[in-house]
Amino acid sequence: QMQLVQSGAELRKPGSSVKLSCKASGGTLTRYGLNWVRRAPGQGLEWMGGILPIFGTAIYAHKFQGRVTSIADESTNTAYMEVSSLRSEDTAVYYCATKYSNDAFDLWGQGTMVYVSS
Amino acid sequence: QSALTQPASVSGSPGQSITISCTGTSNDVGNYNLVAWYQEHPGKAPKLMIYEASKRPSGVSDRFSGSKSGYTASLTISGLQAEDEGDYYCCSYAGNSAYVFGTGTKVTVL
Repeated sequence: QMQLVQSGAELRKPGSSVKLSCKASGGTLTRYGLNWVRRAPGQGLEWMGGILPIFGTAIYAHKFQGRVTSIADESTNTAYMEVSSLRSEDTAVYYCATKYSNDAFDLWGQGTMVYVSS
Repeated sequence: QSALTQPASVSGSPGQSITISCTGTSNDVGNYNLVAWYQEHPGKAPKLMIYEASKRPSGVSDRFSGSKSGYTASLTISGLQAEDEGDYYCCSYAGNSAYVFGTGTKVTVL
């Protein structure tokens, strides 16, 4: 059974960057790909982008292009997402998710809370 | 990629049925059958309830059903129970490997 385990909570200052991780076990990221979704306080779920299966191509929502970078490390079966130029509005829970058994995000990590505050 | 439109809140009494709508455009809901619904409870990761507009994943109660017509997808919860309270989001494929979520609906069991 595949599982996704994310890194712990982060506190960052505005203008800085944060790099989040999502480690997969019981399945390979190259086969399933990996997506990033966030939930800001009082806001809804927001698809940010991810890594496509097989070739590992990164794709981003228009809103995050140029500020977010997603990569996958095949050797450790871990995906990373770096968000730069952080602002207070980036305070959110960040989830990694994949399409494991169905053609939808049916497997999620536990989430990583990112606080952006001066 | 604008968020899909959902009602902010829907409520119902135990045992009743409620329906949540999700309206998109020709770029997403109207062009693909890849609409999913997620249930979110505080402090927990979202849970897939419906995929491909009307299919139920293994383990999800048959009280949950989905449909789609044109630019609007719908989630119906029958026999409403207290445990169904939470936030519900639709999500559609939007082409070029991209996805878009709905604005979210808070379900309250009266």
